Amino acid sequence: QVQLQESGPGLVKPSGTLSLTCVVSGGSISSSNWWTWVRQPPGKGLEWIGEIYHSGSTNYNPSLKSRVTISVDKSKNQFSLKLSSVTAADTAVYYCARGEEYSSSSWVYWGQGTLVTVSS
Amino acid sequence: DIQMTQSPSTLSASVGDRVTITCRASQSISSWLAWYQQKPGKAPKLLIYKASSLESGVPSSFSGSGSGTEFTLTITSLQPDDFATYYCQQCDSYPYTFGQGTKLEIK
Repeated sequence: QVQLQESGPGLVKPSGTLSLTCVVSGGSISSSNWWTWVRQPPGKGLEWIGEIYHSGSTNYNPSLKSRVTISVDKSKNQFSLKLSSVTAADTAVYYCARGEEYSSSSWVYWGQGTLVTVSS
Repeated sequence: DIQMTQSPSTLSASVGDRVTITCRASQSISSWLAWYQQKPGKAPKLLIYKASSLESGVPSSFSGSGSGTEFTLTITSLQPDDFATYYCQQCDSYPYTFGQGTKLEIK
């Protein structure tokens, strides 16, 4: 059973860079799946941030593309999210997720989520 | 971007009721639609993929239908555990987008 676990600072200063890691267990980061980040501001809906394949290919939400970098570390079986120039609007619970071949780009496995607050 | 619009935003129902949630896409997405259930403080849980395929382990009281721009999620005989927020998500084209959510409340 694939398990995902997000980690990273829970507090980031405005204009700083948000950095999160998603550690994968029970499966290989090199499997034929896209690895995804989704976020949810407190009390609001879900927003797709972007995704990465183990080859390093990425797709980003255009609304965030200028500030987002998603990378993969095969040696550690994990992938990461960096979001630069953050503001209070980036305060959210950040989830990492992965689908299965049968589910296409809908996500079967999710991390528990980590709250990142942008505040001075 | 493809806009996903759910209705209603809030739905009050009783245990044992049958309920339907609608999701409309701003353009055709064929059958590339998923439904998720989310409870407070928890990650979303996939219920339905490709518009009508039931995810493993999800009760058969959940069903999805539709294609093109209009989709529905139906729950027959509501159980106490079903009261949650439900989201649709299109996976037809980038950027993937979600509906705003439907909160299913106990009447």
